[in-house]
Amino acid sequence: GDSVTQMEGPVTLSEEAFLTINCTYTATGYPSLFWYVQYPGEGLQLLLKATKADDKGSNKGFEATYRKETTSFHLEKGSVQVSDSAVYFCALSDRSDYKLSFGAGTTVTVRA
Amino acid sequence: NAGVTQTPKFQVLKTGQSMTLQCAQDMNHNSMYWYRQDPGMGLRLIYYSASEGTTDKGEVPNGYNVSRLNKREFSLRLESAAPSQTSVYFCASSEVGGGAAEQYFGPGTRLTVT
Repeated sequence: GDSVTQMEGPVTLSEEAFLTINCTYTATGYPSLFWYVQYPGEGLQLLLKATKADDKGSNKGFEATYRKETTSFHLEKGSVQVSDSAVYFCALSDRSDYKLSFGAGTTVTVRA
Repeated sequence: NAGVTQTPKFQVLKTGQSMTLQCAQDMNHNSMYWYRQDPGMGLRLIYYSASEGTTDKGEVPNGYNVSRLNKREFSLRLESAAPSQTSVYFCASSEVGGGAAEQYFGPGTRLTVT
């Protein structure tokens, strides 16, 4: 079945550092790909998405590109802030059903 | 718009007790979902409802039942709680299933079973 693998955390960075969180997927079809973010004590919010190969999703300075050849959707941000401290989830959705498959989540802590 | 709301926010149960988690959305979405979140395991789908009047099992349905009461409301019931059901439960909704459509999440219910 469909699955998502993302890099294990926790990740600790200094403010203004570069952040990369790796995500790879396994899917039988052509899935849509998502990054969700969960701030402490809250539910998940969509951060960005991409629906076809070579699409780039972007939001709040974060970017991720749908790479079909490497089955990857890595999340990047060039200069993180303390407010980016959160848990980040990579997810995919097969277009034939209604379900999201999530990675295990990566906890990111940014220190001032 | 309140979005997706869940009640209660916190609950402590004893083994064998029952309870119902409530979820409501005011976005007129067709599809609704229940997930559980456990450390190191991401979110796992318990049950979902693609549209009013339908429900289907997800990845981890054992020990749970659901009711899609109407288009707005989707409840999750634990008939006989077990310590393995200690988790954070999230309800979500989306417009047209999970294809390319965003799922909107509630704030969660933190459940402890002793």
